[in-house]
Formats: sequence, C-alpha cells, structure tokens
Amino acid sequence: AQTVTQSQPEMSVQEAETVTLSCTYDTSESDYYLFWYKQPPSRQMILVIRQEAYKQQNATENRFSVNFQKAAKSFSLKISDSQLGDAAMYFCAYRTYSGNTPLVFGKGTRLSVIA
Amino acid sequence: EADIYQTPRYLVIGTGKKITLECSQTMGHDKMYWYQQDPGMELHLIHYSYGVNSTEKGDLSSESTVSRIRTEHFPLTLESARPSHTSQYLCASSPLSSIFHEQYFGPGTRLTVT
Repeated sequence: AQTVTQSQPEMSVQEAETVTLSCTYDTSESDYYLFWYKQPPSRQMILVIRQEAYKQQNATENRFSVNFQKAAKSFSLKISDSQLGDAAMYFCAYRTYSGNTPLVFGKGTRLSVIA
Repeated sequence: EADIYQTPRYLVIGTGKKITLECSQTMGHDKMYWYQQDPGMELHLIHYSYGVNSTEKGDLSSESTVSRIRTEHFPLTLESARPSHTSQYLCASSPLSSIFHEQYFGPGTRLTVT
C-alpha cells in the first residue's frame, strides 16, 4: 500500500522569507499524481498545487512551487515570500494513476508565520 | 456558484442519539468522500463513493453508514453517537473529468457528543 510521510510536524518561517515543507512517499508505481493541500485554522481545505509524476517539470503556482524528485520519491513544497495568510496545516497527498483508490494523505505539517 | 456544502456546521448531541450529517455538491462530481479529523490532526477516510448506489468503507468506518441515492448528495449517519465520535467531519468530492481527480473539500461539521 502506498504511504505518504511528512517528517516535519511543525515548521515556522519569518514573514517574507522562504520555507520548504518535506514530503516523501512510497509506491511501486511509475505513474501517479501528487498534491499539496492547505488547511488554514478553522477554514476550508484547499488545493495548493498538483503534479503529474510523468512530467519532470516542477509545478508552480504563484509563490508556491514543488521540488519533485521521482527517483527519491520526494515531493517538497516551497513557499516564497511567506505571508501571514500562509499559516496553516499543509497536507501532502498521493493518488494512483488509475484513480480507483482515494487520495492517500500525509499526517500534515503545521506552518507558523512570524511577523 | 458551484460548491460543496455541509450541514450542520456545528452540532452538540447526547450519547446514543442518531444523527445524520449532510453533504451536497453542485459541481456534478461523481466521487465523494467522508473524512474524520481531530482539530489540527491527520485525516482519516471513513467512507467514499464513486457514483450513485456505490459506497465503500475507508480505514475508519466508525460505526457509521452512508448512502448515495443522488449524485449530488452523500449523507453520513451515526446510528448511536458516542463521545469518541467527537471530531470534525469533512466531506469532499472529485471530478472524473479531470485527470488529477483532485478533491474539493466542504467547510466541515464540528460534532460534539456529550
């Protein structure tokens, strides 16, 4: 079974600085999809960024980018120019290519942003 | 506006009561999911459905049941609420039309069982 590991339960970053959240996963498949979700305190979970495993180019969405290392099974999230609104729980998730199974989520990383 | 809705948003109920948490989406998504999440903690998949009359148990079925009679509606029922059911319940849906099948989440129902 696939597993997703987020080794940093908590992280903090100074406002305007850059932070990287780690995510590793275990799979025997060659094609799959990866996601980062953001859950602000007492607010709705939203999709931040997504990546197709068969595309080597790292996905980017404004200040959010990923470092996808397929051989290492690593999918880290980089947040540039951190803002107070970036404070949230961040969840990494994996989905098989076939789509017949639900997303597998990591346990999350709580990010604090210091003014 | 296409969205995913959950009602009630907050519920306090006594032990032994039967409750139904509602989830509806107006995005026409085929797949729907229920998760249990203690505040600030990991997500636990309870049930999911890939279409009308299709339901599957997740890792944490939690003495609950679901039904999927209409595409847009996926209610979760606890037959006999217990204090251990106190948690936040998140509903999500995903489209088959996207290759990612990314999930869209509702605002959640925060349940307290006394």
